Amino acid sequence: AQTVTQSQPEMSVQEAETVTLSCTYDTSESNYYLFWYKQPPSRQMILVIRQEAYKQQNATENRFSVNFQKAAKSFSLKISDSQLGDTAMYFCAFIQGGGADGLTFGKGTHLIIQP
Amino acid sequence: GAVVSQHPSWVICKSGTSVKIECRSLDFQATTMFWYRQFPKQSLMLMATSNEGSKATYEQGVEKDKFLINHASLTLSTLTVTSAHPEDSSFYICSARDPRQGGGEQYFGPGTRLTVT
Repeated sequence: AQTVTQSQPEMSVQEAETVTLSCTYDTSESNYYLFWYKQPPSRQMILVIRQEAYKQQNATENRFSVNFQKAAKSFSLKISDSQLGDTAMYFCAFIQGGGADGLTFGKGTHLIIQP
Repeated sequence: GAVVSQHPSWVICKSGTSVKIECRSLDFQATTMFWYRQFPKQSLMLMATSNEGSKATYEQGVEKDKFLINHASLTLSTLTVTSAHPEDSSFYICSARDPRQGGGEQYFGPGTRLTVT
């Protein structure tokens, strides 16, 4: 079974700063996908970024980028120029290749952006 | 694209009654949908995988007779909580895969807050 670990229950940074959220995972699979989802107070889950395990290049989406270290099974999220609207719970998630299964989520990191 | 709706957004029911939650994919056909449960200040836990035209697959520890799942069409899956008890109070979220996208990502409905009194 796969496990996803987020070791930072809560983080707080000032607006415009850069913040990195950590995630490690454990799997015996070689083909899989990793995601970061954002859950704001509305509780709507929003896909932030996706990484395919077979791709060495780190994914980027505007201010969001990941540092994917496959050998170390590490998948961190970097948010640059943080904004007040980035305040939310952030969940790291894993799915086996094929994507037919449900997602395995970490426990989440509550990110607070201070004005 | 890839919009998933969920209804109702919140529901209160009395102990012993049943409540149905609907999950719809609005702009794509979803052969597979998923149901998650989220307790306050916790993460999402997969309850079951809903497959169109076949029986749902339940995760270990989830009572299939209590949480009935029906995926009768390519755009609709329903979760019925039968004989609800206060401990069933939770936030239920559905998701769906868009088969037009090969990345494995799931798109989530807005969730349903269930309170059993």
